[in-house]
Amino acid sequence: GAVVSQHPSRVICKSGTSVKIECRSLDFQATTMFWYRQFPKQSLMLMATSNEGSKATYEQGVEKDKFLINHASLTLSTLTVTSAHPEDSSFYICSARDNIQGAGGYTFGSGTRLTVV
Amino acid sequence: AQKITQTQPGMFVQEKEAVTLDCTYDTSDPSYGLFWYKQPSSGEMIFLIYQGSYDQQNATEGRYSLNFQKARKSANLVISASQLGDSAMYFCAMTSPAGNNRKLIWGLGTSLAVNP
Repeated sequence: GAVVSQHPSRVICKSGTSVKIECRSLDFQATTMFWYRQFPKQSLMLMATSNEGSKATYEQGVEKDKFLINHASLTLSTLTVTSAHPEDSSFYICSARDNIQGAGGYTFGSGTRLTVV
Repeated sequence: AQKITQTQPGMFVQEKEAVTLDCTYDTSDPSYGLFWYKQPSSGEMIFLIYQGSYDQQNATEGRYSLNFQKARKSANLVISASQLGDSAMYFCAMTSPAGNNRKLIWGLGTSLAVNP
């Protein structure tokens, strides 16, 4: 089945530094990538949607200059948290959609737990 | 506006018994998809089952079945013969209309605990 590899699974960084999270579709072409943030015991909150070769569409309230999304190829999308602060600590998870997959065509990465100290 | 409602923040079930997790939705789009995902404490999102709005029959996947009542706009998940490994968060989701990248609209989730 379809697999999305997300790295790193955990990262601890110092306040003020930037962190890059990578999501790679291993056996299909991810035409659309969704990036979510999730706080403990809460639902997924969509941050942005990206299509290959286009600028990402950010949800209301999400700072595009802080959360940089790049979807340069059909198999790779990255989220960079710039100048991270403790309030950015969260669980980040990507989901790739391939128009060809049809029903159930949303494949999730395994998530990244970011801790900013 | 599209919305998913899960009214059960937490549920308990005895091992080997069946449990129903509720999900209602609201949409004006005639074409939509409904999903259930399981999220264990590790955080991964595990796809369980999918129901298309035009599907005539209720979806089933092993011990999971989706009780799709279109007129009532409900898409409850039924887990038969619960196992200890079923303890997790369960999320109901729905596709947004076409032209919106078909992003998913999420419910708040239900935490299921299976007791031995």
